[in-house]
Amino acid sequence: AQSVTQLDSQVPVFEEAPVELRCNYSSSVSVYLFWYVQYPNQGLQLLLKYLSGSTLVESINGFEAEFNKSQTSFHLRKPSVHISDTAEYFCAVSPYNTDKLIFGTGTRLQVFP
Amino acid sequence: GAGVSQSPRYKVTKRGQDVALRCDPISGHVSLYWYRQALGQGPEFLTYFNYEAQQDKSGLPNDRFSAERPEGSISTLTIQRTEQRDSAMYRCASSLDGLAGTDTQYFGPGTRLTVL
Repeated sequence: AQSVTQLDSQVPVFEEAPVELRCNYSSSVSVYLFWYVQYPNQGLQLLLKYLSGSTLVESINGFEAEFNKSQTSFHLRKPSVHISDTAEYFCAVSPYNTDKLIFGTGTRLQVFP
Repeated sequence: GAGVSQSPRYKVTKRGQDVALRCDPISGHVSLYWYRQALGQGPEFLTYFNYEAQQDKSGLPNDRFSAERPEGSISTLTIQRTEQRDSAMYRCASSLDGLAGTDTQYFGPGTRLTVL
């Protein structure tokens, strides 16, 4: 069985400050890793994903996440956040032998001016 | 191009009634997924299809829940004899070819179901 843990349900931060959203997972099989974002009044959309290769993956809007196999983590970071980054962020895994996504409970990032 | 659409966006029903939720995936997408999201939780997998074939229904909570995709495009999730605990956001997603588990899933806006 697989599970995803996002320990921080809410992360308040001031604009231009750095942020880290934590994600840890548990799985008996290898998994692919994803971060999805949900902006207010919108559906979920993919932010970035790790499939193989370099353990550091980046999104087009400045977020990055690093896969750490030994710590079973996939934390999301951004060196300087904007007001527009205010959203709910979901970490998810997809086991190699299935097609489904298993999500964490989400972290609400609130960026203040 | 058009994204994944779901209808209705909001559904309020009385306990014991049947409801049908519709998902229209992105044109050409082979795989279609249903998730349920309770308040304060992440989406929870229900079932998925490749073309018209239901590949995995392990997430359906009980036999009151069923899903179909008869022509490999539009899908319907049906909940019979609804109960208050069925109240949640029901999300649909599609991917171009989900066989490898690596494809991006594109989510619709969801249907908010409230059972009174």
